[in-house]
Amino acid sequence: AQTIHQWPVAEIKAVGSPLSLGCTIKGKSSPNLYWYWQATGGTLQQLFYSITVGQVESVVQLNLSASRPKDDQFILSTEKLLLSHSGFYLCAWSLTRGQDTQYFGPGTRLLVL
Amino acid sequence: GEKVEQHESTLSVREGDSAVINCTYTDTASSYFPWYKQEAGKSLHFVIDIRSNVDRKQSQRLTVLLDKKAKRFSLHITATQPEDSAIYFCAASSNMGYKLTFGTGTSLLVDP
Repeated sequence: AQTIHQWPVAEIKAVGSPLSLGCTIKGKSSPNLYWYWQATGGTLQQLFYSITVGQVESVVQLNLSASRPKDDQFILSTEKLLLSHSGFYLCAWSLTRGQDTQYFGPGTRLLVL
Repeated sequence: GEKVEQHESTLSVREGDSAVINCTYTDTASSYFPWYKQEAGKSLHFVIDIRSNVDRKQSQRLTVLLDKKAKRFSLHITATQPEDSAIYFCAASSNMGYKLTFGTGTSLLVDP
């Protein structure tokens, strides 16, 4: 069975500090991987997707970047956090075709002060 | 780009009644429509989906209807239970990409 882990579970960070969030999927080779952001009480915004190692596509610019260093790992980062980065970050995976069901990880809650 | 509008921001029903959540989309190229459930403080859980080659799909107490002409799709929940209480998100995706656009969510409350 596939499992998806996200780390850390929650973070409190200062404005201007760097950030790195991680996502690992086990039990599925060469998945598509996705990053989403959800503002408190808001809808979900897709940030990035990746269909293979080393290849990441940006969907929306939020002063964030993403990398896929391994087949099962997806990293979201920024060098300088903004207050507007607060929210719930979700990683998701799907099979190798577009339009396949996306399954979400448990998420990371981020508060920027 | 695609815009998905979710018409009911809140919906309150009595246990055992039916609930209907409606969404509309703008991109005629959209052909995949999933629904997700989010319980308080938790991540998204996949519920059901429909593709544009059919206009109806049922899974137990859940039915999704798709009207391509009106660019509208809806989630029908029958015999609601208190554990159905959650925020439900609709989404749409086009045939050519990996981008999923979400609606704003409907908070469903099932009163026991």
